[in-house]
Amino acid sequence: QVQLQESGPGLVKPSETLSLTCTVSGGSISGYYCGWIRQPPGKGLEWIGYIYYSGSTNYNPSLKSRVTISVDTSKNQFSLRLSSVTAADTAMYYCATAGSIGYRFDPWGQGTLVTVSS
Amino acid sequence: SYELTQPPSVSVSPGQTASITCSGDKLGDKYACWYQQKPGQSPVVVIYQDNRRPSGIPERFSGSNAGNTATLTISGTQAMDEAEYYCQAWDSSTVVFGGGTKLTVL
Repeated sequence: QVQLQESGPGLVKPSETLSLTCTVSGGSISGYYCGWIRQPPGKGLEWIGYIYYSGSTNYNPSLKSRVTISVDTSKNQFSLRLSSVTAADTAMYYCATAGSIGYRFDPWGQGTLVTVSS
Repeated sequence: SYELTQPPSVSVSPGQTASITCSGDKLGDKYACWYQQKPGQSPVVVIYQDNRRPSGIPERFSGSNAGNTATLTISGTQAMDEAEYYCQAWDSSTVVFGGGTKLTVL
């Protein structure tokens, strides 16, 4: 059974870069779209972007200028970097995989809360 | 940009049928899926490709998608179904989520 686990700092200072990694176990990320989704406290889900295992990416236009998603197939991991963060980037960050464009995101990681504060 | 619209809240009595809608331009031409999220938990897929249920999801969950509206239907709603529900679709190669609907079972 494929499982995803997010990791990274839970506290980031304003204007700095948020960095998270998603480690996939129980299966290979090869052939999958690896996505990041976030959820501010008390609010809905927001798609951040995804990377195909081969390296092609697609980002939410509203975040595109600040987002970089990368993949390391040798480690079965993919990562998120979000630059110039503000308090508005405080959220639960989830990683999830989809089998193809048009498919569901399943499974999801348990999520990691990132707070932006000085 | 493409948008999906859901009602903020839906209420249903135990044992009754709950319907949650998700509207978007020509949504019926795309695949819609639905996620259930309970407090403190990650979202879980309950319907994908409009009307397919993942293994382990009760048969009382069903879905449809036509025209501009996708609908999640929960028949014989149980107290354990109280949760936030999100629809999601792909617009070309981008991912879009609806704003979420809080289902209250009372």
